[in-house]
Amino acid sequence: QTVVTQEPSLTVSPGGTVTLTCASNTGAVTSGYYPNWFQQKPGQTPRALIYNTDNKHSWTPARFSGSLLGGKAALTLSGVQPEDEAEYYCLLYSGGAQPFWMFGGGTKLTVL
Amino acid sequence: QEQLQESGPGLVKPSETLSLTCTVSGYSISSDYYWGWIRQPPGKGLEWIGSIYHSGSTYYNPSLKSRVTLSVDTSKNQFSLKLSSVTAADTAVYYCARNANHVGPTIWGQGTLVTVSS
Repeated sequence: QTVVTQEPSLTVSPGGTVTLTCASNTGAVTSGYYPNWFQQKPGQTPRALIYNTDNKHSWTPARFSGSLLGGKAALTLSGVQPEDEAEYYCLLYSGGAQPFWMFGGGTKLTVL
Repeated sequence: QEQLQESGPGLVKPSETLSLTCTVSGYSISSDYYWGWIRQPPGKGLEWIGSIYHSGSTYYNPSLKSRVTLSVDTSKNQFSLKLSSVTAADTAVYYCARNANHVGPTIWGQGTLVTVSS
């Protein structure tokens, strides 16, 4: 069974930089997993930030960037703002005869 | 502007079938894209349930596949979810969403809470 793992929680200071990662128990995450990243604030619907590893949606702030790092998908926030405090989820695609998507457990990002 | 809106019973009894519909406005679902469902138990993370293309081709979360049925009604511009044999563990906010091929959900409905309880 595929399991996608994220850091449960991270803390960053305003103006700082933080990197969240997303790993798969099936092996190194590559571009073929089409990593996506989502932001969810309390009581709100998730909002898509990044797709296909490093592509931003039109509404994604420039301070968010996606990449592959050490066999994992990564989301980096540079110049963190207080409003970036939220839960962040990654989503990986598994291809093959019966493709499916799998969310990670989420990272609670605290800006302090 | 494209919008998605979930509808259906907010309370379902254990062992029964959960049925939800997503109505799409501002875009014809028969044009393109995959249309899917994601859920989130209270206080927990997101779980992808499955997606359906307008042609009817589907793909499901392997852990839910045996209980899930997705369908599309292009005449009503709607797509639907049925989840059978529900238990309390199926209590969650259910979201409908649109995604492109190899792109995760981009446009989401506001979500609807479904509680499984007798």
